[in-house]
Amino acid sequence: GIQVEQSPPDLILQEGANSTLRCNFSDSVNNLQWFHQNPWGQLINLFYIPSGTKQNGRLSATTVATERYSLLYISSSQTTDSGVYFCAVLYNNNDMRFGAGTRLTVKP
Amino acid sequence: SQTIHQWPATLVQPVGSPLSLECTVEGTSNPNLYWYRQAAGRGLQLLFYSVGIGQISSEVPQNLSASRPQDRQFILSSKKLLLSDSGFYLCAWNRDRGNTIYFGEGSWLTVV
Repeated sequence: GIQVEQSPPDLILQEGANSTLRCNFSDSVNNLQWFHQNPWGQLINLFYIPSGTKQNGRLSATTVATERYSLLYISSSQTTDSGVYFCAVLYNNNDMRFGAGTRLTVKP
Repeated sequence: SQTIHQWPATLVQPVGSPLSLECTVEGTSNPNLYWYRQAAGRGLQLLFYSVGIGQISSEVPQNLSASRPQDRQFILSSKKLLLSDSGFYLCAWNRDRGNTIYFGEGSWLTVV
């Protein structure tokens, strides 16, 4: 099956710093989503981005499908950005697989 | 707008007891429905998915089962819980398997 690898596994930032999270996948995918899991466990959709670039406020994402990776950018990080960030890919039009996540801690 | 809810939010159950987690979706019809488990750590594992009433596909053999008695209702069950069933269970839905997937609030299960 497809392999989804996220890096780094853990990231600690000072409030106001910028960061880039990466998601690599081992095969062609039909779509890709980024999620934020807050400290209470809830998974929030960030981006649905099978290719190209999207921006939403301080967050943006880029997927280069031909090179099998996606990047999530967080600018001017805030303490509320803390949590775990997951990417998930859909492949074979049928199966969705999650990466292991990047745990982000933003310190005040 | 569409909403998804699951309950209970937290559950502490003894080993060998039954389990029932319920999930409902509002504001849409014929959704695809999913149960995921997130064990200690961070990865999400797909347990079951359903594309229609009474249609359940299991991703991994285990002590759990799922049922879809109504179009927008998805139930996760067990007859006898094991310690290893502890974890965070998430229900999710989307319109088609290629579309954006949305998650419920999650249910924390502790088997003691």
